[in-house]
Amino acid sequence: IAGITQAPTSQILAAGRRMTLRCTQDMRHNAMYWYRQDLGLGLRLIHYSNTAGTTGKGEVPDGYSVSRANTDDFPLTLASAVPSQTSVYFCASSVLRSSLNEQFFGPGTRLTVL
Amino acid sequence: EDQVTQSPEALRLQEGESSSLNCSYTVSGLRGLFWYRQDPGKGPEFLFTLYSAGEEKEKERLKATLTKKESFLHITAPKPEDSATYLCAVQGRQDSGAGSYQLTFGKGTKLSVIP
Repeated sequence: IAGITQAPTSQILAAGRRMTLRCTQDMRHNAMYWYRQDLGLGLRLIHYSNTAGTTGKGEVPDGYSVSRANTDDFPLTLASAVPSQTSVYFCASSVLRSSLNEQFFGPGTRLTVL
Repeated sequence: EDQVTQSPEALRLQEGESSSLNCSYTVSGLRGLFWYRQDPGKGPEFLFTLYSAGEEKEKERLKATLTKKESFLHITAPKPEDSATYLCAVQGRQDSGAGSYQLTFGKGTKLSVIP
């Protein structure tokens, strides 16, 4: 693989179900991010991790959790999905070099919660 | 709080008709301004980073420029394959700590180039 992969590509989920979106990068980037993109609202940061073993909250973290056990993987979990979490989710990564954050994005996961 | 406003929201051009997209920003000390291209159903694709006012970057028919308050993405003689949504993002000089590398994105400009 090259770059960032996300799985699944799309998913329809019943409200109340638990769901984990997967993200893997092979660029050895130290930082990773999860965004959601909604029409009219743009990209909004959910959670981030500047290095393996650490995570932080972004603009819209409620209802989501993340973990960063190693450099390559950054899964996003919805513990109990709600319809307002219907969105397109993008994972991104970057090398935090000289404090400048050029981020590279995965292909996205389209999630529908019914 | 950092803010990014892109205009217009949508732009239709005839093939070969040059134009510019605008990204106005408010940030507490700019570390970098980023342009991305996003095709329908895909993730944003990195185009440029601009660091300081007066800087310019070029890639094929695209040229990005930066002032202290805004950035322009100039498209010269566009082709239909330039049709996409163009996103602008800023990284400001936030307080030190784990959140100091976050980007703030604009909502994008959807460009359509008609043959």
